[in-house]
Amino acid sequence: GAVVSQHPSRVICKSGTSVKIECRSLDFQATTMFWYRQFPKQSLMLMATSNEGSKATYEQGVEKDKFLINHASLTLSTLTVTSAHPEDSSFYICSAQRGGGHYEQYFGPGTRLTVT
Amino acid sequence: DAKTTQPTSMDCAEGRAANLPCNHSTISGNEYVYWYRQIHSQGPQYIIHGLKNNETNEMASLIITEDRKSSTLILPHATLRDTAVYYCIVRPPTGTASKLTFGTGTRLQVTL
Repeated sequence: GAVVSQHPSRVICKSGTSVKIECRSLDFQATTMFWYRQFPKQSLMLMATSNEGSKATYEQGVEKDKFLINHASLTLSTLTVTSAHPEDSSFYICSAQRGGGHYEQYFGPGTRLTVT
Repeated sequence: DAKTTQPTSMDCAEGRAANLPCNHSTISGNEYVYWYRQIHSQGPQYIIHGLKNNETNEMASLIITEDRKSSTLILPHATLRDTAVYYCIVRPPTGTASKLTFGTGTRLQVTL
């Protein structure tokens, strides 16, 4: 099956600092990657859609200047949480979708961000 | 995207079949029904999807009613490792609208 990895799996940072999360598709090329956020006991909420080589499309209410997304290659997308605050503490999950008529999304294991 | 309605929670005894219902009465003709599950503190896992016909794979079976307004995910022999939140999602087939919109899902608890 298709494997998606995320790094780091857990990160603790101080308020005001920036954190970068990587999402990699290990055995396939992902034309599209998605970033989700999940607060405790809630469902996944889509933050943005990232297409390789173009700017990400952000969902309503998600600040693009705070959550920087880069999809520089067909196997790597990064999410940078800038000037993190405690309310940004959450479970961040990426998914990757193959092109060529395949539309299943394969999810990474998630990154637990805690901002102190 | 069409909305889905699922029971909040269900219990199932280990070894028995788990039948998880989903209502999607506003589904459009070209929209697929997808099922994912999320085990605690992990990313969601794809299970199965279908359009009109019933589908089966190594994980589960998907039964879609003839009018496509509801479906049932069947785990034929549930184990403790199947304890998870199960999400039923209706999704257009292609393009940027192919994003997944997660509802609240059904929390399945498999017990001894």
